[in-house]
Amino acid sequence: AQKVTQAQTEISVVEKEDVTLDCVYETRDTTYYLFWYKQPPSGELVFLIRRNSFDEQNEISGRYSWNFQKSTSSFNFTITASQVVDSAVYFCALSPYSGGGADGLTFGKGTHLIIQP
Amino acid sequence: DAGVTQSPTHLIKTRGQQVTLRCSPKSGHDTVSWYQQALGQGPQFIFQYYEEEERQRGNFPDRFSGHQFPNYSSELNVNALLLGDSALYLCASSRTSGRPHNEQFFGPGTRLTVL
Repeated sequence: AQKVTQAQTEISVVEKEDVTLDCVYETRDTTYYLFWYKQPPSGELVFLIRRNSFDEQNEISGRYSWNFQKSTSSFNFTITASQVVDSAVYFCALSPYSGGGADGLTFGKGTHLIIQP
Repeated sequence: DAGVTQSPTHLIKTRGQQVTLRCSPKSGHDTVSWYQQALGQGPQFIFQYYEEEERQRGNFPDRFSGHQFPNYSSELNVNALLLGDSALYLCASSRTSGRPHNEQFFGPGTRLTVL
């Protein structure tokens, strides 16, 4: 069985601060995918990043960066110089790697990020 | 290029009734997945349709059923509604071939309230 844990229910920071969202996962699969999604108040999930289990290279995209550590089963997400528009609920998700198309995602419970002006 | 669309936006039903939710995938996508998101929780995978057949299923009872049409659009049906079925129902589409084949694009969801 797969499981994703986001221990931080809610984080509140002041604009321009850096913030890290934690994600710990459990899976018996040897190959798998990890994802981060953003859910603004409108409700639509917005894809941020996909990382496969055999690529542990960290990634940076603008103010966003992701730290994947297979040894600790963690896939943390950092926002640098946060902005009010970053306020949303962020979900970490996991899926097996079947190679035959997208598999059902297992989501964590999400972290509600509040950026105060 | 239209993204994933869902209808209706909101729906109110009473216990015991049946409901049908609809989803049109993103252009070029052939796979549709459905998720249930209760308030304050992460989405939970219900099932996935590909080539008009259920390809994968999560831990949901048989009251939840679906269908995929030749144009890849999909329906989610829920029978004998319970109060606990109140949730945001999200549809996601993806494509089986090409790259990236496992990236799921989500629609805006249908908010179902069961009274």
